Amino acid sequence: EPEVTQTPSHQVTQMGQEVILRCVPISNHLYFYWYRQILGQKVEFLVSFYNNEISEKSEIFDDQFSVERPDGSNFTLKIRSTKLEDSAMYFCASSEAERSNQPQHFGDGTRLSIL
Amino acid sequence: QKEVEQNSGPLSVPEGAIASLNCTYSDRGSQSFFWYRQYSGKSPELIMFIYSNGDKEDGRFTAQLNKASQYVSLLIRDSQPSDSATYLCAVNMEGYSTLTFGKGTMLLVSP
Repeated sequence: EPEVTQTPSHQVTQMGQEVILRCVPISNHLYFYWYRQILGQKVEFLVSFYNNEISEKSEIFDDQFSVERPDGSNFTLKIRSTKLEDSAMYFCASSEAERSNQPQHFGDGTRLSIL
Repeated sequence: QKEVEQNSGPLSVPEGAIASLNCTYSDRGSQSFFWYRQYSGKSPELIMFIYSNGDKEDGRFTAQLNKASQYVSLLIRDSQPSDSATYLCAVNMEGYSTLTFGKGTMLLVSP
């Protein structure tokens, strides 16, 4: 069964450094998302991406964050000047077709640890 | 502010019993409802989705939706120890792809 793949599985970074999290969505999917989950808390929406542009973003997704689809397969989340509170699991998800309510399928996540 | 509420649990059931997991949501514009299972330290795994009032069955799982009461539930029949996980309820509004998640209900199935 096709799946969303994320790399790396664990990223340790010094505070203030930039980090790029990578995702390969399911190949025929059109909508891409990033979510995060701080330890012990709920999954929170960050951003959705469709047709090569951001379609929605949350209050969390400030100027520190950016997303990009640099080629036909990868979808990246960049965090500039990381903070301690950015430590979390970051999940990439994708969904197919044009309707925005299609089920979203999640990757295994990247655990980001900011020191 | 869109809210999705779930009892954090744990909900403990014996093997073979029916587990009933409940979720309420605040936004009447919510149109699509999803249940995800999340094992500790792992990612959310889609279990069921439902769009219309009523019941939807898939194997041992049944999702129930009551939009008038703003209530969605998940029934797991013949519960197995491998069903022990946190179950996340997620909703989105028509025209929006954003999923709003509840905190999840921890289910423990004892052999």
